Amino acid sequence: DTGVSQDPRHKITKRGQNVTFRCDPISEHNRLYWYRQTLGQGPEFLTYFQNEAQLEKSRLLSDRFSAERPKGSFSTLEIQRTEQGDSAMYLCASSLGQGVLYEQYFGPGTRLTVT
Amino acid sequence: GENVEQHPSTLSVQEGDSAVIKCTYSDSASNYFPWYKQELGKRPQLIIDIRSNVGEKKDQRIAVTLNKTAKHFSLHITETQPEDSAVYFCAASYSGSARQLTFGSGTQLTVLP
Repeated sequence: DTGVSQDPRHKITKRGQNVTFRCDPISEHNRLYWYRQTLGQGPEFLTYFQNEAQLEKSRLLSDRFSAERPKGSFSTLEIQRTEQGDSAMYLCASSLGQGVLYEQYFGPGTRLTVT
Repeated sequence: GENVEQHPSTLSVQEGDSAVIKCTYSDSASNYFPWYKQELGKRPQLIIDIRSNVGEKKDQRIAVTLNKTAKHFSLHITETQPEDSAVYFCAASYSGSARQLTFGSGTQLTVLP
């Protein structure tokens, strides 16, 4: 499968624990996005990487959230001291392009449940 | 920032009929408008998109129209089939450096056999 992959697909954690998710974009894509989707809503933008540089972060991304993309390949999203409000589907998307508009392709998501 | 409103939130049609979903956006600088289909428990899948330099785009049974003046765009599905049943999301991307998508709240389309 040459599409965007995410791991794990499901994560159940207790409030206060830290969790980390991984995203592997389509190999030639230099742009990588993280979105969060809650039930019945569209995905909401969290953060964006162009190659290894994190260029934009949403106000939704509190200081408990951190994302990295070392070497411009896979990316990780870490949530520290999880809260029940963090329960959601975390989606990763990737696209080509620099300076122009290209399609974003989504991964299957990681469903986080905080108990 | 950008705000995208989508309606209706639910839509039921008979198999073979047409379905229309409408979205409005707020930022006149937005210039890319994709539509995604999301089946239950699956990833959003891009089904069609339109850029602001065209008014209409068609791909088999699916078409999208864009009215830049009114800041609205629509998805048209003709000859609907049961496998078209899913949640459909519109989105808009403005011309900022990140090109992130702002999504509507989704339309649950049910095609009745």
